[in-house]
Amino acid sequence: GENVEQHPSTLSVQEGDSAVIKCTYSDSASNYFPWYKQELGKGPQLIIDIRSNVGEKKDQRIAVTLNKTAKHFSLHITETQPEDSAVYFCAAEIAGGTSYGKLTFGQGTILTVHP
Amino acid sequence: GAVVSQHPSRVICKSGTSVKIECRSLDFQATTMFWYRQFPKQSLMLMATSNEGSKATYEQGVEKDKFLINHASLTLSTLTVTSAHPEDSSFYICSAWAVLAKNIQYFGAGTRLSVL
Repeated sequence: GENVEQHPSTLSVQEGDSAVIKCTYSDSASNYFPWYKQELGKGPQLIIDIRSNVGEKKDQRIAVTLNKTAKHFSLHITETQPEDSAVYFCAAEIAGGTSYGKLTFGQGTILTVHP
Repeated sequence: GAVVSQHPSRVICKSGTSVKIECRSLDFQATTMFWYRQFPKQSLMLMATSNEGSKATYEQGVEKDKFLINHASLTLSTLTVTSAHPEDSSFYICSAWAVLAKNIQYFGAGTRLSVL
């Protein structure tokens, strides 16, 4: 089955700096890659996603890049703010496969943005 | 994004009792709902996949008689933890998914279960 590795496990940055979180996946059939933000005691919230037919997607301060050949994708947060502090999870899915909607999650990254 | 409502947000119960958690998709019909368990500082662990009108598919190692899942309608799935014990204490999260919802999984806010 699919395996998703996420690094780093913790990331500490100063307000205004950029943060990058990286994930690799094992199944080349995976074609949908969402990123979720989870605040303490809450459910994950989708912040951005990318499908395998594009290499990059941007939404204001957040961007995701995908390298299908190397089977890795990354989350980029620019101009970080204290409210960006949370746990971030990457995930991979074989959209349209037999396991409809089933996501494989990375281990998570605890991002701390210091004022 | 779509809204998934999960209740209760927190429940404390005595050992041996059963607890029911509800998951509702409020603005789309979810063909599939997923149930996860999350331990502190860990990732989400998929417990089961629930399709409307059919039996849930459980992941390896998850006891189907312990964690009963019912998906009676396209907007409601329930997870019942039967005869709960302290080791069942955890954070349970549901999500809803549908092709017509752009193939995106939308998550509920989670339920913190504490078994005394």
